[in-house]
Amino acid sequence: QVQLQESGPGLVQPSQTLSLTCTVSGGSISGGAYYWSWIRQHPGKGLEWIGYIYYRGSTYYNPSLKSRVTISVDTSKNQFSLKLSSVTAADTAVYYCASPYKARFDYWGQGSLVTVSS
Amino acid sequence: QSALTQPASVSGSPGQSITISCTGTSSDVGGHNSVFWYQQHPGKAPKLMIYDVSNRPSGVSNRFSASKSGNTAFLTISGLQAEDEADYYCSSYSSSSTLVFGGGTKLTVL
Repeated sequence: QVQLQESGPGLVQPSQTLSLTCTVSGGSISGGAYYWSWIRQHPGKGLEWIGYIYYRGSTYYNPSLKSRVTISVDTSKNQFSLKLSSVTAADTAVYYCASPYKARFDYWGQGSLVTVSS
Repeated sequence: QSALTQPASVSGSPGQSITISCTGTSSDVGGHNSVFWYQQHPGKAPKLMIYDVSNRPSGVSNRFSASKSGNTAFLTISGLQAEDEADYYCSSYSSSSTLVFGGGTKLTVL
């Protein structure tokens, strides 16, 4: 059973870069035809897809965030990461990592609240 | 890409059935069989309830069923139970290998 765990700062200053890591356990990040995704949820709002990465490195991003988002994978650490640059208060949200397919998410992390504030 | 359209809220009494709609376009719901439904209880991560339009993952109650007609997908919950009270989100694979979610529907069990 694959388990996911987000980690990273809970507070980020405006204009800085938000960085989160998702650690995968119970399976290899490069062990199958899996995709690794990031999704966020603004407080009291719905889900927003951020993007996904295939373990070999191909990425797809939400067009509305594409200019600010980078998703990468570190197979040696069995982790994948999210970087969101030039953040504003509008980026305050719970960030989830999820897998295993492009659009089907059987596995979710517990979520990581990131607040953008000075 | 625009979010899929769901009703903000639905309600039903225990034992009754309810249906939640999810309307998109021919670029997402209508053009792909990759439509999904998630259940989210407060403070929890979403849980996959339906995949590929109408399939239930192992462990999901058969009280949950789903279908699609044109650009609209539907989730039906029969025999409503108190534990079904949650937010429900649809999602669909979309053009250019992207994914779009619905705005979510709050289900209240009266």
